[in-house]
Amino acid sequence: GAVVSQHPSWVICKSGTSVKIECRSLDFQATTMFWYRQFPKQSLMLMATSNEGSKATYEQGVEKDKFLINHASLTLSTLTVTSAHPEDSSFYICSTPGDEKLFFGSGTQLSVL
Amino acid sequence: QKEVEQNSGPLSVPEGAIASLNCTYSDRGSQSFFWYRQYSGKSPELIMFIYSNGDKEDGRFTAQLNKASQYVSLLIRDSQPSDSATYLCAVNRGSNYQLIWGAGTKLIIKP
Repeated sequence: GAVVSQHPSWVICKSGTSVKIECRSLDFQATTMFWYRQFPKQSLMLMATSNEGSKATYEQGVEKDKFLINHASLTLSTLTVTSAHPEDSSFYICSTPGDEKLFFGSGTQLSVL
Repeated sequence: QKEVEQNSGPLSVPEGAIASLNCTYSDRGSQSFFWYRQYSGKSPELIMFIYSNGDKEDGRFTAQLNKASQYVSLLIRDSQPSDSATYLCAVNRGSNYQLIWGAGTKLIIKP
């Protein structure tokens, strides 16, 4: 089946720094990429939907200037958490639809000190 | 009212028994329904999806959908310790795969 490669798997950063998370589709073209955030023991919350070559659509309450999404090619979508704060510490997951289901990246555990 | 509701658990089931996981949803226009399994620190992995009323079986797993009652369930037969995980119910209201997720039920299979 389709594979979405997500990096890094985990990252620890200082407050105020920026962190970039990459999701690559390895054997297919990912026109759409969903970005989720999941806090411990909570559900996946959709942050934004990116479409290749166009601006991402952000869910209500998600700051587009803080969570920068780039989907410049059909095989790469990135999420940059800018000026990270401890409250941004979470599990970030990308996913793309295909073949009647969602293919997920392996997730990135972000810890902001 | 949450759009997709699940009992958070934990649900404890002895090994070899049937585990029954339940999910209700609020939007009658919902069209497709998914069960995902998520291990701690990992991404969700698809167990089953169902579109039509009734039962759908895949190995030890059976998904049941009742649109009139807005209820979807997942049965796991012959439960194994490796089935211990959080099970997420997700609902798709259209064809765009912007799923609405439940908070998940933690399942513990006791050896």
